[in-house]
Amino acid sequence: DQQVKQNSPSLSVQEGRISILNCDYTNSMFDYFLWYKKYPAEGPTFLISISSIKDKNEDGRFTVFLNKSAKHLSLHIVPSQPGDSAVYFCAASAQGGSEKLVFGKGMKLTVNP
Amino acid sequence: DVKVTQSSRYLVKRTGEKVFLECVQDMDHENMFWYRQDPGLGLRLIYFSYDVKMKEKGDIPEGYSVSREKKERFSLILESASTNQTSMYLCASTTGGPWDVTEAFFGQGTRLTVV
Repeated sequence: DQQVKQNSPSLSVQEGRISILNCDYTNSMFDYFLWYKKYPAEGPTFLISISSIKDKNEDGRFTVFLNKSAKHLSLHIVPSQPGDSAVYFCAASAQGGSEKLVFGKGMKLTVNP
Repeated sequence: DVKVTQSSRYLVKRTGEKVFLECVQDMDHENMFWYRQDPGLGLRLIYFSYDVKMKEKGDIPEGYSVSREKKERFSLILESASTNQTSMYLCASTTGGPWDVTEAFFGQGTRLTVV
């Protein structure tokens, strides 16, 4: 049973446009969410996080939105750049982060010049 | 900067071999993890350790064991490698409580092929 779902395996956008990556979760105990970015042949790197007490968190071009009632979060990248092309993983944790991280399957983003 | 180093980028092993994957972190982190990443399955946790000589099973521990004799080193062992263990293996470390949600620092990955 997959508790964190990234239902779209890939997304392709034009440089300068918005990229929206979606993630759904089923476990209502999750209260902390993270996005990781992974380039080929490298380990994932932390991108941005959000606690369930907030519904939005911004860091430069990256914004994560959390809709608790829908158990849905999304990552917005504006404007998208070719260097953003990577696989993005959504992850979730319960009890304020004291429970283990559960990852989604990942989504490949391609930003075309 | 935290550095998590995995001993090999690419490994090719034969079925039945005992395989050791080594991971070293240089920031005195308490917690270390081994994941495998497979297409369509994402990152799956194999084992983790939150202290020297401590280990906990993750989601898919079957066919694997781990060793943490020193704080900075966490080894993943495939007792008898099988072709279904062909995968990308990622090591990670964090500081704080076992799953404090800070950044997880990942190694560069080891691409293991079992033939």
